[in-house]
Amino acid sequence: DVVLTQSPLSLPVTLGQPASISCRSSQSLVYSDGNTYLNWFHQRPGQSPRRLIYKVSNRDSGVPDRFSGSGSGTDFTLKISRVEAEDVGIYYCMQGTHWPGTFGQGTRVEIK
Amino acid sequence: EVQLVESGGGPVQPGGSLRLSCAASGFTFSSYWMSWVRQAPGKGLEWVACMKQEGTELYYEDSVEGRFTISRDNAKKSLYLQVNSLRAEDAAVYYCVRGGPKLGPEYWGQGALVTVSS
Repeated sequence: DVVLTQSPLSLPVTLGQPASISCRSSQSLVYSDGNTYLNWFHQRPGQSPRRLIYKVSNRDSGVPDRFSGSGSGTDFTLKISRVEAEDVGIYYCMQGTHWPGTFGQGTRVEIK
Repeated sequence: EVQLVESGGGPVQPGGSLRLSCAASGFTFSSYWMSWVRQAPGKGLEWVACMKQEGTELYYEDSVEGRFTISRDNAKKSLYLQVNSLRAEDAAVYYCVRGGPKLGPEYWGQGALVTVSS
């Protein structure tokens, strides 16, 4: 199975400051159709996860534009331009290029 | 509004079985891949199984293949997961999700807790 390695695993941030999470894959995530199926999810404490980003950089409906995704091949990044209180929780990257889809181990974002 | 409501979770003995159900509303159920994703207590996320719109394609995670069966009834707008031969490591919150293997879950239910204990 493809292994996704996120870093850092814990990210204390100051409100209003930027944050960045890395996701590295053990294999290229470029699919035969030319797309890269790397998605990002956010899970607030006690809630179900929510998809934020699909195919590297496409924001889901209703996701604030302070969230952005980038990367290619095996290296990907989720950035929050200015962290708000509602952004706390665990962020997961997920690859859908190779079955079974796999998730990273998660990055816990907390407010300093 | 998209809603996914799971039911059927609960305590089960090792080796036991149960059937999870998911009632969908707020979208054209028959037009979407549907899947199950699980999360062990305090742990990360894991795909379990997924099924294409008409059931013509389905996939299982290796550790559940042969023990779990995903199915759907498009007329009833419902997704199911029959889980057999349960093991301790199957204990988790099982989420019904709209979405398939590539783009991942776009919408999630609130989850059904399955506990495995003698």
